[in-house]
Amino acid sequence: EDQVTQSPEALRLQEGESSSLNCSYTVSGLRGLFWYRQDPGKGPEFLFTLYSAGEEKEKERLKATLTKKESFLHITAPKPEDSATYLCAVQGIKAAGNKLTFGGGTRVLVKP
Amino acid sequence: SAVISQKPSRDICQRGTSLTIQCQVDSQVTMMFWYRQQPGQSLTLIATANQGSEATYESGFVIDKFPISRPNLTFSTLTVSNMSPEDSSIYLCSVGQGRWETQYFGPGTRLLVL
Repeated sequence: EDQVTQSPEALRLQEGESSSLNCSYTVSGLRGLFWYRQDPGKGPEFLFTLYSAGEEKEKERLKATLTKKESFLHITAPKPEDSATYLCAVQGIKAAGNKLTFGGGTRVLVKP
Repeated sequence: SAVISQKPSRDICQRGTSLTIQCQVDSQVTMMFWYRQQPGQSLTLIATANQGSEATYESGFVIDKFPISRPNLTFSTLTVSNMSPEDSSIYLCSVGQGRWETQYFGPGTRLLVL
């Protein structure tokens, strides 16, 4: 069974203070690892898909990296508008119907 | 990516009643998914709905409690039946598109059962 663990559960940052979120996963063959951002009261917003170890993707102040066991979401010089819950999900090659397995998320608060 | 809408956006219901949630997509998609997000929790897949076939339910979810319809390639409904306060959650639909069917989510339906 695919499993995803995210850490920390919550992160408080000062504006400009860079940090990283961790997503550890167990899957019998990775088809893709997905990062989403979720604002309160809204649906998750797609950020990145990573397919193979060593791959990196960037979008504004966010950079996602992937190894064979975990993924990191680096937030560089964050701004208050980066405050959100960040969700990680995996899709295994044996996942029936392209099922995603989500981690518990990391709540990020960036203070001005 | 697809534009997804859900109705209603929120509702307050009495226990024992049922609520049907609609999910509309602006393009034809093969796979649609229904998730539940309980307060302070992450997303849990309820079922996968493909047009023209019965929905596939995850462990712990049954058709009698969460019947799903998928009449065409742009629309689906999820009914939460015989509701109890434990059903209070955000219900989200998503669609798969592109390489490896990346999932894009609707805005969610916030349900409170009294």
